[in-house]
Amino acid sequence: SQTIHQWPATLVQPVGSPLSLECTVEGTSNPNLYWYRQAAGRGLQLLFYSVGIGQISSEVPQNLSASRPQDRQFILSSKKLLLSDSGFYLCAWKRDREIGEQYFGPGTRLTVT
Amino acid sequence: GQQLNQSPQSMFIQEGEDVSMNCTSSSIFNTWLWYKQDPGEGPVLLIALYKAGELTSNGRLTAQFGITRKDSFLNISASIPSDVGIYFCAGDRINTGTASKLTFGTGTRLQVTL
Repeated sequence: SQTIHQWPATLVQPVGSPLSLECTVEGTSNPNLYWYRQAAGRGLQLLFYSVGIGQISSEVPQNLSASRPQDRQFILSSKKLLLSDSGFYLCAWKRDREIGEQYFGPGTRLTVT
Repeated sequence: GQQLNQSPQSMFIQEGEDVSMNCTSSSIFNTWLWYKQDPGEGPVLLIALYKAGELTSNGRLTAQFGITRKDSFLNISASIPSDVGIYFCAGDRINTGTASKLTFGTGTRLQVTL
């Protein structure tokens, strides 16, 4: 069966510090991968998605970036965090060439102070 | 970006009651999904719908893909305390599976009283 992992689970970082969040998927090959951000009590905002290694599409211009160095690894980064980057970050995967169903990881709670 | 309109925004119900919520859009979608999110966790997929008019059940949950392809409904029968959480609808316009992206609803917060 497929499993998706995210770490760290929680993170407190000062403004201006760098960020690296990691997402890995097990049990499937060539998944489509997604990063979302969720503000408190709000819906999900798509940040980045990837259909393959090194292929990243950005949905929202901001100071975040994403990379996919391996087939089942997706990384969200920032060189300098802003207060507005605080939120709940969710990684999701979908089977390649199939419609719809995305499966989410447990999330990372980021607080920028 | 666009979000789907969900209603109601929140609801308090008593244990044992049935619950109905819906999701509407001005655009056509080819897939409708319903997720449940518990506090501090990622959303969990409950039901996926792929065809206009389709009615699908998962235990006490039943969801329908609207015939116009612009809406979807979720019903929960005989609610129990563990049904508490936020329910999100999501739609996918793509019908080929390549680079599909979901549009999410604004969420319905469900609280169940004993």
